Amino acid sequence: EVLLVESGGGLVQPGGSLRLSCAASGFIFSSYWMSWVRQAPGKGLEWVANINQDGSEKFYVDSVKGRFSISRDNAKNSLFLQMSSLRADDTAVYYCVRDLTGVGIDYWGQGVLVTVSS
Amino acid sequence: DIVLTQSPLSSPVTLGQPASISCRSSQSLVHSDGNTYLSWLQQRPGQPPRLLIYKISNRISGVPDRFSGSGTGTDFTLKISRVEAEDVGVYYCMQATQFPQYSFGQGTKLEI
Repeated sequence: EVLLVESGGGLVQPGGSLRLSCAASGFIFSSYWMSWVRQAPGKGLEWVANINQDGSEKFYVDSVKGRFSISRDNAKNSLFLQMSSLRADDTAVYYCVRDLTGVGIDYWGQGVLVTVSS
Repeated sequence: DIVLTQSPLSSPVTLGQPASISCRSSQSLVHSDGNTYLSWLQQRPGQPPRLLIYKISNRISGVPDRFSGSGTGTDFTLKISRVEAEDVGVYYCMQATQFPQYSFGQGTKLEI
């Protein structure tokens, strides 16, 4: 069974930093692209960033470029999102998701809430 | 960037009756490989989204056959033949044609 479990969320002040983690299991983690998708309270879905299998390719939505950094540790089956210079509009549930070639996003974690507020 | 526009944004439905959701893309979703990477997701209240249908009309294992997808190019439709209580939630279309960038529709809230 594919499992994606996020952690590291919480309350942070504007301008602060936070690091999200995602523990993956039930599949060969190193064989898949992985992404982060977020959902602001009561709003729709927004793709944030993704990373290829060996971490050599990374892509970001324009609104987080230069502030967020995606990375992975294949030895530990883990995905990360380092977030800095956080703003109120970064407040959202952040989902760790698996990318499947030929399909798109096929599995979602339960999500972790990040609240940026003073 | 590809923009997906869903309609309606809210759909009151009656149990046992059909429902239909439209998704229109700002540009063709036909990939250079000939495939069209348009998916439909369901998000039940308090739950993460889950994949229902990919490449326009392919149902994921375990998805009831009352769900069907259709369309071509820029216009796509999700249909539920007979709505059941467990179908309440928000439905999103999503494109992966422009992978590695994804985009989503605004969501359609299905309510009884």
